[in-house]
Amino acid sequence: AQSVTQLGSHVSVSEGALVLLRCNYSSSVPPYLFWYVQYPNQGLQLLLKYTSAATLVKGINGFEAEFKKSETSFHLTKPSAHMSDAAEYFCAVSDRGYSTLTFGKGTMLLVSP
Amino acid sequence: KAGVTQTPRYLIKTRGQQVTLSCSPISGHRSVSWYQQTPGQGLQFLFEYFSETQRNKGNFPGRFSGRQFSNSRSEMNVSTLELGDSALYLCASTGTESYEQYFGPGTRLTVT
Repeated sequence: AQSVTQLGSHVSVSEGALVLLRCNYSSSVPPYLFWYVQYPNQGLQLLLKYTSAATLVKGINGFEAEFKKSETSFHLTKPSAHMSDAAEYFCAVSDRGYSTLTFGKGTMLLVSP
Repeated sequence: KAGVTQTPRYLIKTRGQQVTLSCSPISGHRSVSWYQQTPGQGLQFLFEYFSETQRNKGNFPGRFSGRQFSNSRSEMNVSTLELGDSALYLCASTGTESYEQYFGPGTRLTVT
């Protein structure tokens, strides 16, 4: 069975600081990995995805993530946080060939001025 | 292209009633998945439909059901509502050439 662990239910950063949101996965087959963002009272928006091409994946809004098979990790980073980045972030995994997503519990990113 | 739409956006129901939620996928997408989001359990997969057939099902009781129509629109139904069914219900559609799921804004169901 697949699972996703997101370390830290809340992460606080100052505007302009590095953002690092951690995600570790467990999967019996090479997975597809995703990061989604959710703003209050909205659905999920796809930030980026890993589907076995380049291990460093660039997404929207300046975010990127690196797939590390040896560490079973897919951490999300952004060099400089903006106030508008404050939201909840979800890491998700799916088996290749299937579209069912298994989500982590989410990390709330708080950005202070 | 228009995004995934869900109706209604908000619902208030009483325990024991039933409810039907609707989802219209992105044009051309044939797969529709449903998820339940609660503060305690997070995001949990309910079921997925592809070409009017249920392809995958999550670990939810039989009170939760769904269907998909020939135009790919999908509905989910919850019968005999319980307080614990209060949640944000999200629908997502997937194209045939991608594993990306595009989510709608959700339906916020409150059971009193």
